[in-house]
Amino acid sequence: DIQMTQSPSSLSASVGDRVTITCRASQTISSYLNWYRQKPGKAPNLLISFTSNLESGVPSRFSGSGSGTDFTLTISSLQPEDFATYYCQQSYSTPHTFGRGTKLEIK
Amino acid sequence: EVQLVESGGGLVQSGGSLRLSCAASGFSFTSHWMSWVRQAPGKGLEWVANINEDGSEKKYVDSMKGRFTISRDNAKNSLYLLMNSLRAEDTAVYYCARDRRGGPNDCWGQGTLVTVSS
Repeated sequence: DIQMTQSPSSLSASVGDRVTITCRASQTISSYLNWYRQKPGKAPNLLISFTSNLESGVPSRFSGSGSGTDFTLTISSLQPEDFATYYCQQSYSTPHTFGRGTKLEIK
Repeated sequence: EVQLVESGGGLVQSGGSLRLSCAASGFSFTSHWMSWVRQAPGKGLEWVANINEDGSEKKYVDSMKGRFTISRDNAKNSLYLLMNSLRAEDTAVYYCARDRRGGPNDCWGQGTLVTVSS
């Protein structure tokens, strides 16, 4: 199975900050990397698919990059609704494993 | 509106069985792979299984292979997860999710909680 290593596991930041979350796959996954945001008590929501494709309705402050084994999610200017937990997921091969999550908290 | 609604969760004793259901609406169910993803209390997401459009192809995470069975009824626009030999560590919220081609889960249900008592 492909292991996904996500970092950091938690992050404190302020509204307006720029933050970056990284995800590393244990083997190459081409561009089959997806990012989700999950708010407490809610189902996850797909933000970015295939490394950099922003989902419909997702603000442009979110962006994704990378290829092969190393990927990043960047939020250019944090908004109050962005304080949540973020997960990466590879969909290159089953099982479609997730990273362990990054909890983004208000500083 | 695309909608996925899970049901069937509840409290079950260790060693018992439970069948989860997911009712899909608002999209062409027969055009999508479908998945189950779970989340233990306070923990991260864990992919469980997925199934292809006509139910002929099923994939599982190794740790649940042989105990869990994914299935679907396209006539009823429904997805199922039969869970046998349940253990305390299977306690989680179970989400039904739609797969987009290439694997991302672009639509999720609200989840159903399964609690396994030891």
